[in-house]
Amino acid sequence: DTAVSQTPKYLVTQMGNDKSIKCEQNLGHDTMYWYKQDSKKFLKIMFSYNNKELIINETVPNRFSPKSPDKAHLNLHINSLELGDSAVYFCASSQAVSTYGYTFGSGTRLTVV
Amino acid sequence: RKEVEQDPGPFNVPEGATVAFNCTYSNSASQSFFWYRQDCRKEPKLLMSVYSSGNEDGRFTAQLNRASQYISLLIRDSKLSDSATYLCVVNPADSWGKLQFGAGTQVVVTP
Repeated sequence: DTAVSQTPKYLVTQMGNDKSIKCEQNLGHDTMYWYKQDSKKFLKIMFSYNNKELIINETVPNRFSPKSPDKAHLNLHINSLELGDSAVYFCASSQAVSTYGYTFGSGTRLTVV
Repeated sequence: RKEVEQDPGPFNVPEGATVAFNCTYSNSASQSFFWYRQDCRKEPKLLMSVYSSGNEDGRFTAQLNRASQYISLLIRDSKLSDSATYLCVVNPADSWGKLQFGAGTQVVVTP
């Protein structure tokens, strides 16, 4: 059983398109996150939801819109894709993060051409 | 100054040898610390938490030095399968669960 699953795994799209990435966790965790890992391998938080409520919203262009229909799902919609959006996007979930950290999904490699 | 800093490496280690590397963090009020491992084109996976007294998990030993604000990871009897990027992760106080990640230290174990 996959704990945190993301789809799609790979996404290649043209500039200006709109795309969505889906994430689901079956761990019963209350909190879910979106992180972006750029070409320099640095992981930066974008958003976090706790029980469907947005609790972290970093300085991210408003072309990025998260949505959490329930605590097991956190999706990411991106409008008007730009070349600079190319990166790997990781979904993660946590419960008692101080003790157990995060569990990550396998990532979505987004390439904008 | 970055919140979490690591030597990017690579650390080239002969199989069977010991390798150690550090990470420094800027927030003195940070509460908890982790080492994650990330293989090429894969997601980060929790390797171990780091406790104040230091802790060991098999061939891996983690240490925390709060006074100097650094944590360390030591790998003994290195295996080829230890080749990966090791991410230092810090949980600052009042962060709403927002972990801070270093950019990683690459370890390459050679036969």
